[in-house]
Amino acid sequence: GDSVTQMEGPVTLSEEAFLTINCTYTATGYPSLFWYVQYPGEGLQLLLKATKADDKGSNKGFEATYRKETTSFHLEKGSVQVSDSAVYFCALSIYTNAGKSTFGDGTTLTVKP
Amino acid sequence: GAGVSQTPSNKVTEKGKYVELRCDPISGHTALYWYRQSLGQGPEFLIYFQGTGAADDSGLPNDRFFAVRPEGSVSTLKIQRTERGDSAVYLCASSLAGYDTQYFGPGTRLTVL
Repeated sequence: GDSVTQMEGPVTLSEEAFLTINCTYTATGYPSLFWYVQYPGEGLQLLLKATKADDKGSNKGFEATYRKETTSFHLEKGSVQVSDSAVYFCALSIYTNAGKSTFGDGTTLTVKP
Repeated sequence: GAGVSQTPSNKVTEKGKYVELRCDPISGHTALYWYRQSLGQGPEFLIYFQGTGAADDSGLPNDRFFAVRPEGSVSTLKIQRTERGDSAVYLCASSLAGYDTQYFGPGTRLTVL
């Protein structure tokens, strides 16, 4: 079946540090890939997505590139802020499954001033 | 515009009781999804509606769980004979159509004592 494996957390960084959160997947079909973010006390929000190989999703300074050859979709940001402290989820969905999403277990990021 | 709303936000019940959880999707969204999120894990798919019909209920854990969407808008997730293991946050998401971007509600935290 489909699965998503995320780098285990928690991750603690100082402000302006570089962030990478690793995500790899296995899929029975050709997936679209997503990163969601959950800020404290809030619901899940879509952060970025990529729908085909070599696509780069980007939003709010975050980027992730769909790498089919390594089945990966690592999240990066060049300079994190305290406000980026949240839980980040990697997810996939398969077109033939009508968008049913499979999620990783989440990575908690804490950014200290 | 209004996002996805879920009621109640918190529900505490006793083992063996029946509960109903409600989801109001974004107006005009034909696809609706239910997920369950246990502590420290990512959301786990339960059921997907396209319009009034359940297009995929493969994630429902057993026959104690049932969901309806009689008019193609509001959906209710029903859990019979609740067990302590049902304690989790139940998330609802909607999308314009299947396989479009999913927008998540804030969730209902269910606690079974």
